Amino acid sequence: DAMVIQNPRYQVTQFGKPVTLSCSQTLNHNVMYWYQQKSSQAPKLLFHYYDKDFNNEADTPDNFQSRRPNTSFCFLDIRSPGLGDAAMYLCATSQNGRGSGYTFGSGTRLTVV
Amino acid sequence: DAKTTQPPSMDCAEGRAANLPCNHSTISGNEYVYWYRQIHSQGPQYIIHGLKNNETNEMASLIITEDRKSSTLILPHATLRDTAVYYCIVRVARDSNYQLIWGAGTKLIIKP
Repeated sequence: DAMVIQNPRYQVTQFGKPVTLSCSQTLNHNVMYWYQQKSSQAPKLLFHYYDKDFNNEADTPDNFQSRRPNTSFCFLDIRSPGLGDAAMYLCATSQNGRGSGYTFGSGTRLTVV
Repeated sequence: DAKTTQPPSMDCAEGRAANLPCNHSTISGNEYVYWYRQIHSQGPQYIIHGLKNNETNEMASLIITEDRKSSTLILPHATLRDTAVYYCIVRVARDSNYQLIWGAGTKLIIKP
């Protein structure tokens, strides 16, 4: 089945140590999103790629970066994780942001120690 | 951007219809209403979406008021597996793309 896959499912990193989360898709969607979700809150959009164009949300900290080397893969880099960055990170895809096709991965739960 | 307002929690008996309300009084004419749900520790799952007409699929029905200021998601025969947080979302146009504006969600608990 076509899907959005996030690896790893759980990630533990040390305070200040760079960490990368990955997302891949088999849907061939042109838009890929990264969301941050903290406990009991709705997902918060960090940034998205529309094709190769990177779109950052105004309130996304500089500590968060992203790469999309090709249509299928997208990475979230946290340069210096702080305790406040512990959260679930969700990857999603869509085709031009339309229709029913916002598909989410299962998420990566990040713990910072 | 349009915002949505949802009750924080609701209970429903198993086998009954679950009706989840959402207010989106500032929605614009071309902005769609989406519903997603999130079962604990999983990614959000698409349920249904609509613009102004009522919609039905195999999972649920979406009833949108004529003035589009509110909507109701209906799960016709709730089961224990429908226990989840349900998000009412408005999709807004932004630059050359669209953005989902999420509500705070309703935690729906289905009771046996």
